[in-house]
Amino acid sequence: GAGVSQTPSNKVTEKGKYVELRCDPISGHTALYWYRQSLGQGPEFLIYFQGTGAADDSGLPNDRFFAVRPEGSVSTLKIQRTERGDSAVYLCASRPPGTVTGELFFGEGSRLTVL
Amino acid sequence: DQQVKQNSPSLSVQEGRISILNCDYTNSMFDYFLWYKKYPAEGPTFLISISSIKDKNEDGRFTVFLNKSAKHLSLHIVPSQPGDSAVYFCAAFQAGANNLFFGTGTRLTVIP
Repeated sequence: GAGVSQTPSNKVTEKGKYVELRCDPISGHTALYWYRQSLGQGPEFLIYFQGTGAADDSGLPNDRFFAVRPEGSVSTLKIQRTERGDSAVYLCASRPPGTVTGELFFGEGSRLTVL
Repeated sequence: DQQVKQNSPSLSVQEGRISILNCDYTNSMFDYFLWYKKYPAEGPTFLISISSIKDKNEDGRFTVFLNKSAKHLSLHIVPSQPGDSAVYFCAAFQAGANNLFFGTGTRLTVIP
């Protein structure tokens, strides 16, 4: 497909479990972002990759959250020892090189529910 | 600290009338401001942007106005259509930060 692809679209897990969320960005987009959107809130920045490296991970809430992008394309957001407060929609976005406006292309999100 | 604020959580407008969505920001270093539209169960989609050196940008039925002295921007939709019903997010971009900062959104309902 032409857009940002995220899997799974829905994930229900139990408190304390480990979760992985996957993002496949638009081909050729070098920048990749993860955001988290809680109910009634706007998307909140988590982490930004430029190529394979995390250029800015200042939005990750704590060390239970980790993200990788080993080959500069697909990224995985990993959440350890999930808590009920982690329940949210996790949005992935990508951006082509040379964009000056900051415009991001978003996927449909992965809805995580921690019981 | 919320750098981008949308103080109206919802707005209802009759079809054919003008919709005005407002946004305030605190950081004078933002370079671009963007509006995104979000339907349920979909990701946000880009609508329109404006450079911090401009005061107006128009694209069809959508116009964004920027008042830098007031740190305020607004999105005008005219005429409003039922298909415009969605949540609208204001966002701001600072080139040095390489990040988009989002407001909390305004749910627009256009009544047929």
